[in-house]
Amino acid sequence: QVQLQESGPGLVRPSGTLSLTCSVSGVSVDRSPYYWGWVRQTPGKGLEWIGSISFGGSTFYHPSLKSRVAISADTSMNHFSLKLASATAADTGVYYCARIKEGFRVVPQFDQWGQGTLVTVSS
Amino acid sequence: DIQLTQFPSSLSASIGDRVTITCRASQSITNYLNWFQQKPGRAPKLLIYAASNLQSGVPSRFSGSGSGTDFTLTISNLRPDDFATYYCQHTYTIPFTFGPGTTVDIK
Repeated sequence: QVQLQESGPGLVRPSGTLSLTCSVSGVSVDRSPYYWGWVRQTPGKGLEWIGSISFGGSTFYHPSLKSRVAISADTSMNHFSLKLASATAADTGVYYCARIKEGFRVVPQFDQWGQGTLVTVSS
Repeated sequence: DIQLTQFPSSLSASIGDRVTITCRASQSITNYLNWFQQKPGRAPKLLIYAASNLQSGVPSRFSGSGSGTDFTLTISNLRPDDFATYYCQHTYTIPFTFGPGTTVDIK
């Protein structure tokens, strides 16, 4: 059974870096055809895709966040991580990690999700 | 970015009702459209992928249709567990985006 679990600080100072990790069990993060992604839910923008990393390590980011975001994976720990720099109050929200099933002629589908973690950006 | 609009934004329904939610894309996304259910304090749950395919384990009273720019999610025979917020999402091109949601509550 696939499970995802987010972890990381619940409070980030303005201008600081938001850092989260998603621990994965039941499947390897380097297994085809899965990608791994981050989605957040904020009062201002609702559900927002942040970015994804492929089983081969390729990354894809939301253009509006691209200058501040980095997603990486650690296959030895079987987890993937999110870093969002220069955080502001607008980044406050619930952050979810998700598994994305992809492939040739396969409509990408976010089929497994972590429970979510609340991150507040405040001094 | 491809924008998704949903209507209605909310609706009230009774147990046993048939409910239809519409999602419209700002440009054609062929069938790259997924539907999610979200309950308060919980992560979104995938219901329908590729516009009309039922995700494993999801009750058959949920169904999806559409292609191009117009899509619908139908819930037949509404059950108490179905009162929630429903979101559409496209995965046609980056950035993937979600609709604003439709809340289904009890009449």
